[in-house]
Order: sequence, then C-alpha cells, then structure tokens
Amino acid sequence: GQQVMQIPQYQHVQEGEDFTTYCNSSTTLSNIQWYKQRPGGHPVFLIQLVKSGEVKKQKRLTFQFGEAKKNSSLHITATQTTDVGTYFCAGGAAGNKLTFGGGTRVLVKP
Amino acid sequence: ETGVTQTPRHLVMGMTNKKSLKCEQHLGHNAMYWYKQSAKKPLELMFVYSLEERVENNSVPSRFSPECPNSSHLFLHLHTLQPEDSALYLCASSQDYGKGLAHNYEQYFGPGTRLTVT
Repeated sequence: GQQVMQIPQYQHVQEGEDFTTYCNSSTTLSNIQWYKQRPGGHPVFLIQLVKSGEVKKQKRLTFQFGEAKKNSSLHITATQTTDVGTYFCAGGAAGNKLTFGGGTRVLVKP
Repeated sequence: ETGVTQTPRHLVMGMTNKKSLKCEQHLGHNAMYWYKQSAKKPLELMFVYSLEERVENNSVPSRFSPECPNSSHLFLHLHTLQPEDSALYLCASSQDYGKGLAHNYEQYFGPGTRLTVT
C-alpha cells in the first residue's frame, strides 16, 4: 500500500533561522496536503498542492510539490515561536483516502 | 473553531466497560472519518464514511464499532478495549470522498477525545 515518509522526525530550530521538512511517497500522488498540529491541539489544514512542480507560499511558509509528484517540501523562513508544532503531509491518489506521514515535530529555541 | 465537535474530550475506562465517542460536524460535509493518534502512529486512519455508508475500514479490531446515523453525526462504540488502545481519537470531515474525485478535499478535524484504558 501507499506509504508516506517525512523527515526529519524532529527539528530543533533557533528562532530566526530557516528550516525545511521533507515528505516522500512510495507512489505517485494526485495531490498533497499539509497540516499543522499545535501542542495539545488538532491538525489544521494549511494547503493543498496539485500540479507537478507547484510552489505555493503562505507568508514565511513555502510549499513545493515535486516534478514527479512523489515528494513535497515545506520551508519556513525566519522561524518564530508561533511555528512550534507538528507538521504533517498527507498524500492522496485520485480521491482515495489520504495517507498521512509521520509528521515533523518542530521545536523552537528562543 | 466549532465546525467539528467531539464529546467527551477526556475518557477513562476499564477494559470491561462499554463507552461511545461522539462527533458532530456543522459544515454540511458528506464524508466523516475516525483517526487514532498515538506516539507510535501519529495519524492512523480507522474508518471513513461517505453519505452515511462505510467506505473504508482499515483492519480495525472489532472492539471498535463505528456508526454513522446521518451525514452530520459519527459515533465510535468501544467495548473490551486494551491498554494499548489508549490514544487521542480524532474525528474529521470533508466535503466529499470517493474514487470518482480527481483530488482529495481538505479535512477538518475535531479537538479529539483523549482516551485512557486502565
């Protein structure tokens, strides 16, 4: 079955620095979604990418979908304490269920 | 956010108890989901309902029994659980679900029920 892997599992970041988290699928995807879960909270939808090579930005967050539609990345610039949480990618194939990755837990050092 | 609500928020139950988790969505969505979140498997899909019909059942033990009486309500009936079933149980909804769709719809999650089995 489809598998979605995320690396790193943990990301310790100094406030103000940039970092990237990666998402890799074992199969070609029709779309990929990203969610953020704050500590003690629930996953909240951030964005969806559909097209090969697509890049979308949300303020300091940049999301990219790979050319082969098997991988994706989330890059955060100038990390702030509000970025703390776990970021999940979720891969979908033609309306089938989303398969969530294991998440990258982001910890920010002030 | 009050789009998806879950009750109770916390539940402690013994292995011989029977309890139910409730989820309600106020978004007019047609699909609802149950996920289990634990340290071992951060987001594990359990069941999917589309228009009140179960469309996915991910090899979940029979001690978990879902029920979807209408498109706004979803229940998870629990009986004779094991301590390893302790986890956060998240409900989610989306506009639609199905193999005829080109892409997936975003999912809206509820706050979850923190379940502890003693």
